[in-house]
Amino acid sequence: DQQVKQNSPSLSVQEGRISILNCDYTNSMFDYFLWYKKYPAEGPTFLISISSIKDKNEDGRFTVFLNKSAKHLSLHIVPSQPGDSAVYFCAASVGNNDMRFGAGTRLTVKP
Amino acid sequence: KAGVTQTPRYLIKTRGQQVTLSCSPISGHRSVSWYQQTPGQGLQFLFEYFSETQRNKGNFPGRFSGRQFSNSRSEMNVSTLELGDSALYLCASRDVTAFNEQFFGPGTRLTVL
Repeated sequence: DQQVKQNSPSLSVQEGRISILNCDYTNSMFDYFLWYKKYPAEGPTFLISISSIKDKNEDGRFTVFLNKSAKHLSLHIVPSQPGDSAVYFCAASVGNNDMRFGAGTRLTVKP
Repeated sequence: KAGVTQTPRYLIKTRGQQVTLSCSPISGHRSVSWYQQTPGQGLQFLFEYFSETQRNKGNFPGRFSGRQFSNSRSEMNVSTLELGDSALYLCASRDVTAFNEQFFGPGTRLTVL
């Protein structure tokens, strides 16, 4: 039962443009959402998070938007840089327990 | 602080064998979770240990088991290996007083022939 879904396995954007990565979830009990970035041969690293009491959280070039009614979150990267090329995973949890991850989206930023 | 370490980094086994993977969490982190990563399936949650007790378990067969020691180090065991068990196995630790951010190790790449 895939409770967190990333329906786009890959995304390619030009350097300097906006990258938008999407994530949908089915469990309405999820109240904390995170994005992780993963480079080859490394473990995922935490990028940004948002709690369900907010609808937006910003950290530099990275912004996460949460639409609770649609059970949808997105990660915006502006401007995109070649070093952002990686696999991005969204994750969700209920309270402090049992984090569920999506299948990941491979982002390629072309110079 | 040193990061999460996993040993070994690479492992090749044959069907029917068993394997034990090891994870050392960040010092002070008492929660350790294990994930299986396969292409197209993302990170599948295996289990979480906290203070030597399994706290949560994902939807994997009983061939997958784990344990945690008093120093918070954790091991994961897979018995009667199948070809489909070939994957990257990731361990993550967290400070349960800090809301939810997990720190991942580099993973163990298991290949079953």
